[in-house]
Amino acid sequence: DAKTTQPTSMDCAEGRAANLPCNHSTISGNEYVYWYRQIHSQGPQYIIHGLKNNETNEMASLIITEDRKSSTLILPHATLRDTAVYYCIVRPNRDDKIIFGKGTRLHILP
Amino acid sequence: EAGVAQSPRYKIIEKRQSVAFWCNPISGHATLYWYQQILGQGPKLLIQFQNNGVVDDSQLPKDRFSAERLKGVDSTLKIQPAKLEDSAVYLCASSLLPRRQGGEKLFFGSGTQLSVL
Repeated sequence: DAKTTQPTSMDCAEGRAANLPCNHSTISGNEYVYWYRQIHSQGPQYIIHGLKNNETNEMASLIITEDRKSSTLILPHATLRDTAVYYCIVRPNRDDKIIFGKGTRLHILP
Repeated sequence: EAGVAQSPRYKIIEKRQSVAFWCNPISGHATLYWYQQILGQGPKLLIQFQNNGVVDDSQLPKDRFSAERLKGVDSTLKIQPAKLEDSAVYLCASSLLPRRQGGEKLFFGSGTQLSVL
């Protein structure tokens, strides 16, 4: 069973920041938050992951609340190519596999 | 670097027929996964290999599905006989190392779209 709750869909205007929320209120201390996305007709693509500190890479930023019960993925300047399903995943520290939920379908509007 | 290769890209069969999917992971990747993605849902793990050994096949319907990874490189997933509910995209993924050795990212192929009529 997925341990996360995400909105089913979201819209964002091109060029604006896209903020995708994720609730993981039952997360435990050794579990990491991962984000993957899946563009139409492609396999999922890794975006970013974190434990409790905020993280940033070339694709996105991950903001995790202090109590770790929720997080937000930020795409700073969304483009049409960011239209995809975004999956927020809670992964135990020693667990190899990734368990996907239903994700958020993000539409970037021109 | 080359990504995870899968073939065929599409396959249409009739129920009760057999089908096989092939995956070539990124060179040197020790861990390989097969996922099933039904339309409108997230991918569901079927089986995980570490080199040529099975780590987790708890979600694999073993009465009809089988998978192997000979020599710890390429892998095949077979369905025999297929049912209508097997219509899905079958995704292969690989990672360089197991998680406990720092393997954080899974790399996915584009999948094989199976239609069972």
